[in-house]
Amino acid sequence: AQSVTQLDSQVPVFEEAPVELRCNYSSSVSVYLFWYVQYPNQGLQLLLKYLSGSTLVKGINGFEAEFNKSQTSFHLRKPSVHISDTAEYFCAVSEGAGKLIFGQGTTLQVKP
Amino acid sequence: DSGVTQTPKHLITATGQRVTLRCSPRSGDLSVYWYQQSLDQGLQFLIQYYNGEERAKGNILERFSAQQFPDLHSELNLSSLELGDSALYFCASSPSGGNKETQYFGPGTRLLVL
Repeated sequence: AQSVTQLDSQVPVFEEAPVELRCNYSSSVSVYLFWYVQYPNQGLQLLLKYLSGSTLVKGINGFEAEFNKSQTSFHLRKPSVHISDTAEYFCAVSEGAGKLIFGQGTTLQVKP
Repeated sequence: DSGVTQTPKHLITATGQRVTLRCSPRSGDLSVYWYQQSLDQGLQFLIQYYNGEERAKGNILERFSAQQFPDLHSELNLSSLELGDSALYFCASSPSGGNKETQYFGPGTRLLVL
């Protein structure tokens, strides 16, 4: 079975600073990876996904992620964060018929 | 707004009771997923339906059951409720349930068992 590890439970960062949220997955022959964001009291929203092709994936709100097969990682980055980026971020891998296996989540706290 | 609706938003009930959570998928989506989000277990997949048929099952308790109706809405039934069932329950939908598809999540139903 697939598994996902998000290495940081909380990441505090100042506004306009860069941020990286780390995600590692268990290896598989083919892997489909997702980053979702959950704002307070809301459902999850897709930021970006990797299916195949270019290892650098661009998503919404200025986020991007890099798929690294040799390191089994899919880290999420943003060059300059805003207060509005404060949220919980989930890395996930798709398994079998489409069910998502999520990591434990990383809380991004953007400080003014 | 994802297009996925869930009712009710909040539910408070007592141990031993039974509740039903309802989900309406995005227009045109045939596949529905249920997830449970709790502080100790995180986000866990419960069950998936595709066009009325069960397609995949996760760590869903025997006290829990679900179904998808001909109009594609889905219901998650939770019975003999325990304190530990308190959680946020999400429904998601996707066009055909494939593993490359984006899943669109509803706002969730927050269940509190007292």
